Amino acid sequence: QKEVEQDPGPLSVPEGAIVSLNCTYSNSAFQYFMWYRQYSRKGPELLMYTYSSGNKEDGRFTAQVDKSSKYISLFIRDSQPSDSATYLCAIYTGGFKTIFGAGTRLFVKA
Amino acid sequence: NAGVTQTPKFQVLKTGQSMTLQCAQDMNHEYMSWYRQDPGMGLRLIHYSVGAGITDQGEVPNGYNVSRSTTEDFPLRLLSAAPSQTSVYFCASSSARGEGVEQYFGPGTRLTVT
Repeated sequence: QKEVEQDPGPLSVPEGAIVSLNCTYSNSAFQYFMWYRQYSRKGPELLMYTYSSGNKEDGRFTAQVDKSSKYISLFIRDSQPSDSATYLCAIYTGGFKTIFGAGTRLFVKA
Repeated sequence: NAGVTQTPKFQVLKTGQSMTLQCAQDMNHEYMSWYRQDPGMGLRLIHYSVGAGITDQGEVPNGYNVSRSTTEDFPLRLLSAAPSQTSVYFCASSSARGEGVEQYFGPGTRLTVT
């Protein structure tokens, strides 16, 4: 079993839709959970991260962690064509190491 | 601030050739890492460094060498290129103050080995 699993998509939604992106992970000891956005042919950029359980909101983006079910989510409200990218979930495992999901490709149609 | 820079952007090698991928950062970050990204595999850690003179292996280190003589630079060397090393390579840096959680990535090097 992989330490973090992410559906690769692609996910296609109309402009203005609410998008839900999800990952599951295997080790209940993990504490830091991140979401990166990667545009085509660019490097990943950190969107936001959360520590332990709960929600964190930044503008149209909300990250949610449910440690009881080992499930992490990223919600995008009022999605825009500029949100079209690959979204990578990531977990800091300690010892200066981070593991990444395979990424979900999102297309937002105008 | 240029952030994290990588050169070259693209490279084609023949099997058995060697080369060095360059990475530099101007944020005075202690931690630097090299990842490779393959379709369906996500980012996989090759080598990392927690400071000048200190390096360690990641998940997929075979066929690669690193060194870190300065805080700013972290080159990745391919010793004898193989087609299995065809990938996109990303360098990343992070600050020790944040325990290395927030990583800043370079633009990547696309490598093809024929």
